[in-house]
Amino acid sequence: QKEVEQNSGPLSVPEGAIASLNCTYSDRGSQSFFWYRQYSGKSPELIMSIYSNGDKEDGRFTAQLNKASQYVSLLIRDSQPSDSATYLCAVSPSGTYKYIFGTGTRLKVLA
Amino acid sequence: GAVVSQHPSWVICKSGTSVKIECRSLDFQATTMFWYRQFPKQSLMLMATSNEGSKATYEQGVEKDKFLINHASLTLSTLTVTSAHPEDSSFYICSAPRSGSGETQYFGPGTRLLVL
Repeated sequence: QKEVEQNSGPLSVPEGAIASLNCTYSDRGSQSFFWYRQYSGKSPELIMSIYSNGDKEDGRFTAQLNKASQYVSLLIRDSQPSDSATYLCAVSPSGTYKYIFGTGTRLKVLA
Repeated sequence: GAVVSQHPSWVICKSGTSVKIECRSLDFQATTMFWYRQFPKQSLMLMATSNEGSKATYEQGVEKDKFLINHASLTLSTLTVTSAHPEDSSFYICSAPRSGSGETQYFGPGTRLLVL
């Protein structure tokens, strides 16, 4: 069974610090990886997508992918209280639009 | 970015009634849409894949006769919860991939269903 695993948290970081969120997946054939942010009571919103090994940066966010280790992470620099949310890792198997979601990591940024 | 809407945003109904939820892609066409369900403090669980012009594909454990899906056009999919019961109370979210954006899915705002 294809799985995506995340530490449920909560992960607490002080304001201004770097938050590091991790995700592992079991399907070695997966090609597309996504990070979504979900505020309580709201639907997920896309933060970043990553398809190739290495780092991808967008503003304060950096996604890192290591397909050999089946690991994808999200770094949030200069964390703000408004970043407090649940971060969902989603993995898309090759050739399909379907996502497999992790359980999400709840991030708390302390002012 | 791509916009997906859902209607209604919340609904309260009596046990035994049916509820229809609409999902629309507002600025792009979507031959495929996805329906998810999310219970409190849990992650999104894919219920089914809605396919324009053909039958929906349901995930294991999801009753296709209870959760009716109709992909009526390239911009509209509907989910009908038939004979709803309190255990069907949940947050229902649809999503759609937009061609040319990889496999990125754009999510609707969700519909919160409460069955009394």
